[in-house]
Amino acid sequence: ETGVTQTPRHLVMGMTNKKSLKCEQHLGHNAMYWYKQSAKKPLELMFVYNFKEQTENNSVPSRFSPECPNSSHLFLHLHTLQPEDSALYLCASSQEGPGRFFGPGTRLTVL
Amino acid sequence: KNQVEQSPQSLIILEGKNCTLQCNYTVSPFSNLRWYKQDTGRGPVSLTIMTFSENTKSNGRYTATLDADTKQSSLHITASQLSDSASYICVVSAQNRKLIWGLGTSLAVNP
Repeated sequence: ETGVTQTPRHLVMGMTNKKSLKCEQHLGHNAMYWYKQSAKKPLELMFVYNFKEQTENNSVPSRFSPECPNSSHLFLHLHTLQPEDSALYLCASSQEGPGRFFGPGTRLTVL
Repeated sequence: KNQVEQSPQSLIILEGKNCTLQCNYTVSPFSNLRWYKQDTGRGPVSLTIMTFSENTKSNGRYTATLDADTKQSSLHITASQLSDSASYICVVSAQNRKLIWGLGTSLAVNP
């Protein structure tokens, strides 16, 4: 295991539901990330947090709302999603440098 | 435009055989290149990282090469095992710390 956990591992939701994805890192890293992985597309960086502060938001629609209460926990709140939002959502953490330690991901299906 | 292209898209080999995966990039200015292995249903895990001055780096049966002049990297897998079945992703880091992800090569190792 990489020291990054994500829950739930699988999630099916309707377009009117509200749900949250949770990520926790046990590595003492100061940066956390949300990535979206869709079929036939490279990983897409969504949000970056450094020391709990959001430092990057890559034009992500407002139906995705991140929250980082401390350096070890990261949430992604979801509401009124679209079917095209179905994907694997990966959380990652890092210390210095470009290396990323990824969690196992949440497989999201929007009906 | 910064891009990372990987080939082949997918590959099937028999257990025990060797294989080589390719990564071509146009990222500039270049900082480093990393290969990740992603098992089905899991997050990517780093295999190797190479900087501008490094030509080759090994991690067990995995050997990565880098030619910074031609902007090409390869990942060679020796004596493949069933557990090598996964997606292999090449990621190039620019000096502004931005990561450019490839689409990955899907490798299937058959008995």
